[in-house]
Amino acid sequence: QVQLVQSGAEVKKPGASVKVSCKASGYTFTSYDINWVRQATGQGLEWMGWMNPNSGNTGYAQKFQGRVTMTRNTSISTAYMELSSLRSEDTAVYYCARGGIAAAGLDYWGQGTLVTVSS
Amino acid sequence: SYELTQPLSVSVALGQTARITCGGNNIGSKNVHWYQQKPGQAPVLVIYRDSNRPSGIPERFSGSNSGNTATLTISRAQAGDEADYYCQVWDSSTHVFGTGTKVTVL
Repeated sequence: QVQLVQSGAEVKKPGASVKVSCKASGYTFTSYDINWVRQATGQGLEWMGWMNPNSGNTGYAQKFQGRVTMTRNTSISTAYMELSSLRSEDTAVYYCARGGIAAAGLDYWGQGTLVTVSS
Repeated sequence: SYELTQPLSVSVALGQTARITCGGNNIGSKNVHWYQQKPGQAPVLVIYRDSNRPSGIPERFSGSNSGNTATLTISRAQAGDEADYYCQVWDSSTHVFGTGTKVTVL
């Protein structure tokens, strides 16, 4: 069965960077895009960007351009999202989600990773 | 940037029908997806491409999309349907999420 398993919770100081991992299993990792979505406590879903694990091509939401980097290691079927210059407003749960084939939505999601930014 | 507007909350009596709207400029020309999110859990895709249900999603969930409004319909609402629901589209190389609707089953 398809699974996306994310790394554990992180606590970071303002100005630092965080790197969250998302390990895929149960399907061919390079055949589906990986998206990253975040959610602050009590708030809605906010899309951050996507990555094609086959080519490494990425697309980032304008809000995060210059601060976010999405990469992958195909040998271990793992995607990464690194966010730099953290500020308190970046405190949120970060999700990876698989992009379905042929515009079929985000069909599988990781369990989420809480990133807390606090001095 | 493209915006999707949803009602903040919808209430439905047990066993009745809930309708959640998602408004956007000419949204009928786009593929709309819907997600259910229960407290403390990751979102789950319940409708993709306007009206298609992923495997495992009950037939009670249905969707439509026309003009400037897409609609998620939950028939015969159950207590387990209480959750936040989000619509989503792809626009200008960006995934855009709606503002979210809290569904309460009375």
